This record gives sequence, structure tokens and C-alpha cells, in this order.
Amino acid sequence: AQSVTQLDSHVSVSEGTPVLLRCNYSSSYSPSLFWYVQHPNKGLQLLLKYTSAATLVKGINGFEAEFKKSETSFHLTKPSAHMSDAAEYFCVVTPGGGNKLTFGTGTQLKVEL
Amino acid sequence: GAVVSQHPSRVICKSGTSVKIECRSLDFQATTMFWYRQFPKQSLMLMATSNEGSKATYEQGVEKDKFLINHASLTLSTLTVTSAHPEDSSFYICSAREGGAANTEAFFGQGTRLTVV
Repeated sequence: AQSVTQLDSHVSVSEGTPVLLRCNYSSSYSPSLFWYVQHPNKGLQLLLKYTSAATLVKGINGFEAEFKKSETSFHLTKPSAHMSDAAEYFCVVTPGGGNKLTFGTGTQLKVEL
Repeated sequence: GAVVSQHPSRVICKSGTSVKIECRSLDFQATTMFWYRQFPKQSLMLMATSNEGSKATYEQGVEKDKFLINHASLTLSTLTVTSAHPEDSSFYICSAREGGAANTEAFFGQGTRLTVV
């Protein structure tokens, strides 16, 4: 069985300050991990993915995430938040050899002036 | 990247009627597509896995006679909400993967906001 826990349902930061969105996972097999972003009433867009290559993954729009097996974590970070980053973010896991995605509960990111 | 197109983006229907939602992979073939339901401010819940040329696989608690899925070709899956009721109002999203490997990206449609009145 696999699961994803996003530790914060809401995160609020000031524009220009760092962003940290936390994600912990459990998976019986070597997982693939993804971060997706969703703007209101829109579909989901892939930010980045981890697929057992480099543990530090760089994505679009300046986001990156580090896979830490010992901590079973895949936290999403960005050095400097922008107003356009305000959205819902989902951490997603899929087990090695499987194709079913398991979503975290999501983190709503608010960016203030 | 690959594109998944979902139509319509919004639909309002009367109770008791049926609504069909289409999901198309525009530039790749998808043997498997997924249908999700999302309640306000909540995560995506997988409803069913749509398999081209065979029956869909429904998640526990999802009524297969209520939510009819047809995957007639490698680029099209449809979800029909039959005899819709207000409690079926929700945001429905489809996704597809190019290839079946676990490490491939899933591409998502734009979603369909269904309102049953």
C-alpha cells in the first residue's frame, strides 16, 4: 500500500521569501514521486518528478524538491515566492511497477505582498 | 508536452438527466486513462481506471452503473454521469499517461465543473 501525507493544508509566505511545502510518503516499492500545481478551476500541471535518478530534482518556475529515502520525504522548495505561485499543490506517489497515482490532500499556498 | 483535452469545461444539468464528459489525448495514445472527482478544497479521488477496449476498473464505493466509462479508442475516454442528482455536483478531472511506466508523467485535462440543479 502507498500513501502520501502533506503536513500543511495552508502555507502563507510573503513575496520574495522562500517556500517550503512538506510531503512524506510511504510505499511498499521504490516509488516515483511528483509535485503538481493546480490553479482554481483548472487541471493539474506537473512541476517536477523523482524517478530514482538524482535525488535533487529541479522543476519548472524555479521549484525543486529533494528525495530523502531515510526520512521518506519529498519536500518542495522555492528560494523566492512570486504572486503567481499562489495555488494548490499536490504531492503524488506511484509505486514502482504500478500506474495508479495516490494524491496527498494538497497544500494551499498563499503569497502576500 | 503532451496534451489532454477535456470537454466540456462547465455543464449545468437538471436532476435525472445524464451528462457525458469527454477526455482526449491529443498527441499521444493512451491505453489507460483515469477519472478523478474533486470536492471543493479537497484532493483528487480516483473514481476509475479506463482501459482501452475493455471494462473500466472502478474504485471501491464508486457505482459503476452511475458513472459509465467507455474507452473506445486509444485517444478517447468518456465518463457519463447517469440520472444525475445534486450530490453528483463536483469537479471531474481525467488524466492519461504516455506509456504505462510508473515514472512517466500523467497529463491532466482541464477539468469539468458539473452542477446538477
